[in-house]
Amino acid sequence: TQLLEQSPQFLSIQEGENLTVYCNSSSVFSSLQWYRQEPGEGPVLLVTVVTGGEVKKLKRLTFQFGDARKDSSLHITAAQPGDTGLYLCAGERGANNLFFGTGTRLTVIP
Amino acid sequence: EPEVTQTPSHQVTQMGQEVILRCVPISNHLYFYWYRQILGQKVEFLVSFYNNEISEKSEIFDDQFSVERPDGSNFTLKIRSTKLEDSAMYFCASSQRTRNTEAFFGQGTRLTVV
Repeated sequence: TQLLEQSPQFLSIQEGENLTVYCNSSSVFSSLQWYRQEPGEGPVLLVTVVTGGEVKKLKRLTFQFGDARKDSSLHITAAQPGDTGLYLCAGERGANNLFFGTGTRLTVIP
Repeated sequence: EPEVTQTPSHQVTQMGQEVILRCVPISNHLYFYWYRQILGQKVEFLVSFYNNEISEKSEIFDDQFSVERPDGSNFTLKIRSTKLEDSAMYFCASSQRTRNTEAFFGQGTRLTVV
């Protein structure tokens, strides 16, 4: 059974703090996406990582794909209240479908 | 900015009734998907569709489910005889290609089966 576990499940931090969210699996993925989902809305794509060891930056967000393409991390620097949301990783194994992680719900307190 | 649109935003139906959820994917995308998210749970893959046929489906997508692209713009998900456990948010998504899939999701349809 495919499983993408995200940790922590819930995270509440003060504005200005740094944080890291992890996405781990025993399976290898051809690519991995990070999404953010607001309540009552669909997931919005943040980034796709493809190559093992790849690092991508999106303003204050840094995404890394593990060397073995089984895990990934999302690091946010100087978190802001606007970063509040549900962060989802999703792995692609074969063609045509994404396998979503369990999600990390982030709350940034002003 | 192009987006995936879904209608209706919320549908309430009685158990045993048929429902059709509608989606308009991004116009130059070739691959279409349905996902669902039961309240408080993770997003789950249902089916993918390419070149007017199903490419892949999950174990959730049983004989009660079907998909169709009836014209050049719409992509529909039909549930023939709804069950209480079909209550969920249903998300349509589309992408330009199948590898390194960057899927763009619609806002979802909240289906409530009573």
